[in-house]
Amino acid sequence: QQQVKQSPQSLIVQKGGISIINCAYENTAFDYFPWYQQFPGKGPALLIAIRPDVSEKKEGRFTISFNKSAKQFSLHIMDSQPGDSATYFCAASYHTGNQFYFGTGTSLTVIP
Amino acid sequence: KAGVTQTPRYLIKTRGQQVTLSCSPISGHRSVSWYQQTPGQGLQFLFEYFSETQRNKGNFPGRFSGRQFSNSRSEMNVSTLELGDSALYLCASSMEGGGTEAFFGQGTRLTVV
Repeated sequence: QQQVKQSPQSLIVQKGGISIINCAYENTAFDYFPWYQQFPGKGPALLIAIRPDVSEKKEGRFTISFNKSAKQFSLHIMDSQPGDSATYFCAASYHTGNQFYFGTGTSLTVIP
Repeated sequence: KAGVTQTPRYLIKTRGQQVTLSCSPISGHRSVSWYQQTPGQGLQFLFEYFSETQRNKGNFPGRFSGRQFSNSRSEMNVSTLELGDSALYLCASSMEGGGTEAFFGQGTRLTVV
């Protein structure tokens, strides 16, 4: 059973536009929700993370919106740039241990 | 500050052989987790080590094993390799684990022929 569901599978956005990627989770015991960015041939890089007691977190052009009651969270990339073209993964983990449950990934392409 | 270092970067092995992959975490980090990444299954958790003890284990067969040393470096071993073990193996390190920032290495690309 997929504990974290991610959509869309792929996304094409014009330069300067807003990219939005959505994730939903099942287990209310999850306590930490990071987003990772991965370029081909590289390991995932931590972008931004949130905990369930916060509804929104912003770092530069990246914003996480968190809806605890709906068990959903999303990544917004403002002013998307061609350099943002990569695969994005949402994830969730419990308070104890360092085991992440990953979404299936979203391939983002930003066209000039 | 040096990042997470995984060696080797690439490996080609034959079915039936065994392989050992290495991960050196960020200095000061005590938790090391291992993941398998494939196009079909995505990122799947293998196991986590914290202070030389396995703290969590994913749903992989016993052919996959690991260990952690006193300096927090970790190794994972896969015995009796199968074609389906071809994947990118990633390790992630964090200070304590338990919902804290985790940083990934570049991975080891294992190809089984």
